[in-house]
Amino acid sequence: QVHLVQSGAEVKKPGASVKVSCKASGYTLTNYYMHWVRQAPGQGLEWMGIINPSGGSTNYVQKFQGRVTVTSDASTNTVYMELSSLTSEDTAMYYCARRGGYDFGWFDTWGQGTLVTVSS
Amino acid sequence: QSVLTQPPSVSGAPGQRVTISCTGSSSNIGAGSDVHWYQQLPGTAPKLLIYGNNNRPSGVLDRFSGSKSGTSASLAITGLQAEDEADYYCQSYDSSLSGFWVFGGGTKLTVL
Repeated sequence: QVHLVQSGAEVKKPGASVKVSCKASGYTLTNYYMHWVRQAPGQGLEWMGIINPSGGSTNYVQKFQGRVTVTSDASTNTVYMELSSLTSEDTAMYYCARRGGYDFGWFDTWGQGTLVTVSS
Repeated sequence: QSVLTQPPSVSGAPGQRVTISCTGSSSNIGAGSDVHWYQQLPGTAPKLLIYGNNNRPSGVLDRFSGSKSGTSASLAITGLQAEDEADYYCQSYDSSLSGFWVFGGGTKLTVL
């Protein structure tokens, strides 16, 4: 059974960086792309970026270009998302989600989410 | 402001049928990109509900169905039950500069 387990909640000060992990099990990490999606409190879902764990190529939404870095480690079946220069507007739940299917695919399995709180 | 437009809320009584619309444009749904739907129960992660416009993953009840036409898509829920109360999101792929994988703003379904 496919599972994505994310790291625990984080509290960061403005200007700091946060690195969230997403450990995959039940499948081979390098066979599926992985997305990152965030959800601010009471708001909708916002796509951030995607990584191909086979090779490490990435694409990010323009809004986060230069601030977000997604990496993967096939030896530990883990994908990471690092977001820098945090502000209060980055307070949100962050999800990893596996890309399933064909063409551009869909988000077939989601992690449980990691709450990142940015506060001075 | 989401690339895909959904009504903020819909409601229905138990047993009724409700639909949730998702309106896009010529750079996403109208360009032929598939639409997918997710259900987010309170305090939980989203869950895939419909993929490829009208396909249900294993385990999703046939009370849920999807359709797509032109630049819009719809999610229909029949035989409404209390446990269907959740937020529902449509999702597609956008080929413009607005950013690849895009979501609707979400629709809160209230079961009266």
